[in-house]
Amino acid sequence: GDSVTQMEGPVTLSEEAFLTINCTYTATGYPSLFWYVQYPGEGLQLLLKATKADDKGSNKGFEATYRKETTSFHLEKGSVQVSDSAVYFCALSDGKGGGNKLTFGTGTQLKVEL
Amino acid sequence: NAGVMQNPRHLVRRRGQEARLRCSPMKGHSHVYWYRQLPEEGLKFMVYLQKENIIDESGMPKERFSAEFPKEGPSILRIQQVVRGDSAAYFCASSPRQLAGTTDTQYFGPGTRLTVL
Repeated sequence: GDSVTQMEGPVTLSEEAFLTINCTYTATGYPSLFWYVQYPGEGLQLLLKATKADDKGSNKGFEATYRKETTSFHLEKGSVQVSDSAVYFCALSDGKGGGNKLTFGTGTQLKVEL
Repeated sequence: NAGVMQNPRHLVRRRGQEARLRCSPMKGHSHVYWYRQLPEEGLKFMVYLQKENIIDESGMPKERFSAEFPKEGPSILRIQQVVRGDSAAYFCASSPRQLAGTTDTQYFGPGTRLTVL
């Protein structure tokens, strides 16, 4: 079945550092790929998505490129802020079963310090 | 436009009691998904519903769990005879009517945190 693997956290960075959170997936066909962010005590918010190979999703300075050859969708940001501290989830949807259910990775906690 | 609403936000039950979780999708959304997040884990899909229909319940435990999305009112996830292992955060997500071959964004509610004593 489908699966998503993320790097384990927590990831601790200083403000303005470069961020990479690795994500690889296993799926049949051509899934859509997502990054969601969860702030403490809140639900998940869509950060960005890509629906086909070589697409780049971007939002709020974050970006990720759908790499079919390496089955990856790594999240990057050039300069993180304290307000980026949250848990980040990589997810995929293969559109099977008549809907778009999401398969999530286990999440990576990011802590940004001054 | 109000987001996805879930209530209660926190629910405490004793073993053997029933838990009833409610989800009101965003206005205009007719698709609802339920996910469960166990401590220190990612979210796991449970069930996908449209109005008055269960489309995919492949992630639902076979016993004690049920879900509905009536024509009027919120979607309900019901857990009968709760056990400690049911303690988790339960998230609802909604999306608009989906066209074949597309992937619509799911919008998540704040979740219900269930604690079973």
